[in-house]
Amino acid sequence: AQSVTQLGSHVSVSEGALVLLRCNYSSSVPPYLFWYVQYPNQGLQLLLKYTSAATLVKGINGFEAEFKKSETSFHLTKPSAHMSDAAEYFCAVSTRGYNKLIFGAGTRLAVHP
Amino acid sequence: DGGITQSPKYLFRKEGQNVTLSCEQNLNHDAMYWYRQDPGQGLRLIYYSQIVNDFQKGDIAEGYSVSREKKESFPLTVTSAQKNPTAFYLCASTSGTNTEAFFGQGTRLTVV
Repeated sequence: AQSVTQLGSHVSVSEGALVLLRCNYSSSVPPYLFWYVQYPNQGLQLLLKYTSAATLVKGINGFEAEFKKSETSFHLTKPSAHMSDAAEYFCAVSTRGYNKLIFGAGTRLAVHP
Repeated sequence: DGGITQSPKYLFRKEGQNVTLSCEQNLNHDAMYWYRQDPGQGLRLIYYSQIVNDFQKGDIAEGYSVSREKKESFPLTVTSAQKNPTAFYLCASTSGTNTEAFFGQGTRLTVV
């Protein structure tokens, strides 16, 4: 069975600081991994995805994530936080031939001046 | 513009009533999904459908029903059997396996 764990339900950073949101997955077969962002009372928007090509994946809004098989991790980073990055972030996993996405519990990112 | 449309954005239900949430997509996607979102619990899968006239239960299907009579439509009915229906409901679709999901803007259901 697949699962996703997001470490830290709330993360707070200063504007201009590094953003690091942690995601660990569990899967018995090679995974497909996704990061989504959600603003209040909105749907989810795809930030980036890993589908077994390059292990370092670049997404929108300056975010990137690195797939590390040995650590079963797919952490999301951004070098310099902006106020507009304040939102909730979800990591999700799927596997080959399996159509369902399994989501983590989410991490709420706060950015303060 | 292609996308997923959920309606209404806000919905109020009296106890004992059934209500239906609408989800329509013009992306020509085969698979559609309903998720429930509660604070601190992420998204939990209610039902999903991979083709017309077929659907499967997700992790929390009790108290919900769906239909898939058309490729572009996947309505969700919250029945009176759902004891705690107040939540944010999200509809999504995918074009195939291992592809990203596209989401609607959600419906916030409140029991009054």
